Amino acid sequence: AQSVTQPDIHITVSEGASLELRCNYSYGATPYLFWYVQSPGQGLQLLLKYFSGDTLVQGIKGFEAEFKRSQSSFNLRKPSVHWSDAAEYFCAVGATIQGAQKLVFGQGTRLTINP
Amino acid sequence: DAGVIQSPRHEVTEMGQEVTLRCKPISGHDYLFWYRQTMMRGLELLIYFNNNVPIDDSGMPEDRFSAKMPNASFSTLKIQPSEPRDSAVYFCASSLYFRTPLHFGNGTRLTVT
Repeated sequence: AQSVTQPDIHITVSEGASLELRCNYSYGATPYLFWYVQSPGQGLQLLLKYFSGDTLVQGIKGFEAEFKRSQSSFNLRKPSVHWSDAAEYFCAVGATIQGAQKLVFGQGTRLTINP
Repeated sequence: DAGVIQSPRHEVTEMGQEVTLRCKPISGHDYLFWYRQTMMRGLELLIYFNNNVPIDDSGMPEDRFSAKMPNASFSTLKIQPSEPRDSAVYFCASSLYFRTPLHFGNGTRLTVT
């Protein structure tokens, strides 16, 4: 079965600093991958997705992610964070298993921004 | 586009009571998902529908949970009887086609005392 690991439960960075959130997945074939962001009291909002093609994917709010098959990773990056980026970030891996669409989420990484 | 609409936003009930959560997906979306979010278990897929038909309910915890989608614009998740361990945030999400991104509602925070 596919699985997703986000090794960092909580990350704190200073405003203006660069950011990298880690995501590792386990799946036998080529998965499709997503990053979502969740602000307090809100649902999840899609940041970006990878299905195929260019392994560097651009998303909203200045985020990007790189798919590395050899490392089974899909890390999220942003060159300079803003205070409004403080939220919880979820990586998700999807796959088709016996005709059913399965989307599995990681445990999330909570991002705190220091002024 | 109003997005995925869930009601109520908050529900507080006593153990043993029936709870019904409601969801209106985005118009035209063929897929509807119910997720549960807790601190301990994160986001768990409970069930999903394609064109109003339940496809995979393997995540439904037990028989106390049931979900229906009588038409393309409405779905319910029912818990009967409710228990304190059902306390969580329940999210509904919809997607346009197979393998397209999910659009989430703002969730229903359920507290069972």
